[in-house]
Amino acid sequence: QITLKESGPTLVKPTQTLTLTCTFSGFSLSTHGVRVGWIRQPPGKALEWLALIFWDDDKRYSPSLWSRLTITKDTSNNQVVLTVTNMDPVDTATYYCAHSPSGYGDYVFAHWGQGALVTVSS
Amino acid sequence: DIQMTQSPSTLSASVGDRVTITCRASQTIYDWLAWYQQKPGKAPKLLIYKTSILENGVPSRFSGSRSGTEFTLTISSLQPDDFATYYCQQYNIYSSFGQGTKLEIK
Repeated sequence: QITLKESGPTLVKPTQTLTLTCTFSGFSLSTHGVRVGWIRQPPGKALEWLALIFWDDDKRYSPSLWSRLTITKDTSNNQVVLTVTNMDPVDTATYYCAHSPSGYGDYVFAHWGQGALVTVSS
Repeated sequence: DIQMTQSPSTLSASVGDRVTITCRASQTIYDWLAWYQQKPGKAPKLLIYKTSILENGVPSRFSGSRSGTEFTLTISSLQPDDFATYYCQQYNIYSSFGQGTKLEIK
């Protein structure tokens, strides 16, 4: 059974850096073809893809946010970390991590975490 | 950036109806399109990928198709569990989602 869970602060102040951790089980990010991504969803709005990390440590970032994002992996601890710098109230959203299995195509997310709501406010 | 435009934004239908949701890409994305279903307070669920491949466990009343840059999700006979919001996602160049279609009970 594949599970993912996001963890991190629920409240950050404007200009601060957000660090979110995705802890997963049921698969290995060292397996060829496996990817983990981050997607966010502001309250009442649509999904927005943020970042993707590959089994071989290749990385992809949203062109509109790339300068503020960093994604890393800790394969031995089954974790993926996303940092977002210079947070703003418009970054208030539920942040999801998700698993893209081998054979599904990059960015196709077959398993999702429950999501973590992050509010940006002073 | 590739823009994905879904229509309609809201769709009212009844149990047993056949419904169609459309997603248009701003440029060619070949068959690199997925559909997700999301219920309130829950994470999205993958339904279809590569335009028409049904994810394991998804009922066969769901289907997907493509004509050029226009993609369609069809539910052949709506069931009570199908009332939700649906998103299309392109993954030809990076990834981007449509704005969503809320399927509500008429």
